[in-house]
Amino acid sequence: GENVEQHPSTLSVQEGDSAVIKCTYSDSASNYFPWYKQELGKRPQLIIDIRSNVGEKKDQRIAVTLNKTAKHFSLHITETQPEDSAVYFCAASSGFKTIFGAGTRLFVKA
Amino acid sequence: DAGITQSPRYKITETGRQVTLMCHQTWSHSYMFWYRQDLGHGLRLIYYSAAADITDKGEVPDGYVVSRSKTENFPLTLESATRSQTSVYFCASSKQGSEPQHFGDGTRLSIL
Repeated sequence: GENVEQHPSTLSVQEGDSAVIKCTYSDSASNYFPWYKQELGKRPQLIIDIRSNVGEKKDQRIAVTLNKTAKHFSLHITETQPEDSAVYFCAASSGFKTIFGAGTRLFVKA
Repeated sequence: DAGITQSPRYKITETGRQVTLMCHQTWSHSYMFWYRQDLGHGLRLIYYSAAADITDKGEVPDGYVVSRSKTENFPLTLESATRSQTSVYFCASSKQGSEPQHFGDGTRLSIL
């Protein structure tokens, strides 16, 4: 069946450094790629998303890139801050179903 | 988001019992989803619904039943609970399929 692979599973960076999380998807019909942030004990919340007709999207310190040919998409966080520490999930949606990656636990050390 | 609520927040039950988790949204979103979250697996889709009276299976539907008689409600039932169904369950909704999903606070379910 369809799946989404996410790497790395854990990422530790120094405050102020950049963090990059990568995902690959298998379903060619996927056309919507959201990223969610989940703090400990809380609900997942959308931080940025991208559609298949766009290659890159940026929102302040967060950016997402999409390579449809390679079925890759990535999340880039610049100038990381301690409050960026959380679990990040990528997802791929084909309209009816949304499949999530297994998550990346990001630690930002002050 | 206060517009989507799950109940109960915590539930402990025994194997073999029937359990129903409730989900209610006030946005009139067409799509609703149920996920389970287990360590190392992220969020796995159990069932989804595109509209009232339309439901379909996700990645891990076995042992679960859903219904959607009204747009705002999407209950999830475990007909005969097993220990492997111990998990955190999240309900979510979106306007359409390929749109941002809004999640409830989750239900932590323990089956002894």
